[in-house]
Amino acid sequence: ETGVTQTPRHLVMGMTNKKSLKCEQHLGHNAMYWYKQSAKKPLELMFVYSLEERVENNSVPSRFSPECPNSSHLFLHLHTLQPEDSALYLCASSQDFGTDYYEQYFGPGTRLTVT
Amino acid sequence: GDSVTQMEGPVTLSEEAFLTINCTYTATGYPSLFWYVQYPGEGLQLLLKATKADDKGSNKGFEATYRKETTSFHLEKGSVQVSDSAVYFCALTGTYKYIFGTGTRLKVLA
Repeated sequence: ETGVTQTPRHLVMGMTNKKSLKCEQHLGHNAMYWYKQSAKKPLELMFVYSLEERVENNSVPSRFSPECPNSSHLFLHLHTLQPEDSALYLCASSQDFGTDYYEQYFGPGTRLTVT
Repeated sequence: GDSVTQMEGPVTLSEEAFLTINCTYTATGYPSLFWYVQYPGEGLQLLLKATKADDKGSNKGFEATYRKETTSFHLEKGSVQVSDSAVYFCALTGTYKYIFGTGTRLKVLA
């Protein structure tokens, strides 16, 4: 148990559906992240929020829309996804963002399948 | 840009065998280096870290030394156990962001 929870753990959705992934951290951290994990590829950083403000957006398609209503919660809203978006989506948090060293704490991920 | 290269897996070993997973990096400046581990069905967990050249990180019998001259951070363990079966990720922090490798799957057989 790392103190970062994600729901749902598994999600199957059609290309026309709208769904949301939820992440919650119980560590009092100030920064939260969304990563995409695909087989045989490096983890892809999608979004970074620091103190509830988005500080990083790595050219992610607009069909992925993040939301950070407070420092403990992070959402990833999904709509009109493509089959190649099927992957494990990981949420992480850290005490701060923008220092030379910081440990990230990861949730267990949501396994997303787009049909 | 900054990058991390890991040996491709899977790596399959017998219990009590010696483990080495190679990791090399490219970075401007002086990044911090990390190994994270992902057990089945879980997220990544920090295994060990090194923040400057010649530092050795260690945890749970695993070790890695920050080698600036060879730009490497190889992970080693003298005697692996079945419970070490997992995916291991090498990573660095460059320009305040984590850069991860592709991960190396380790399978240890009893």
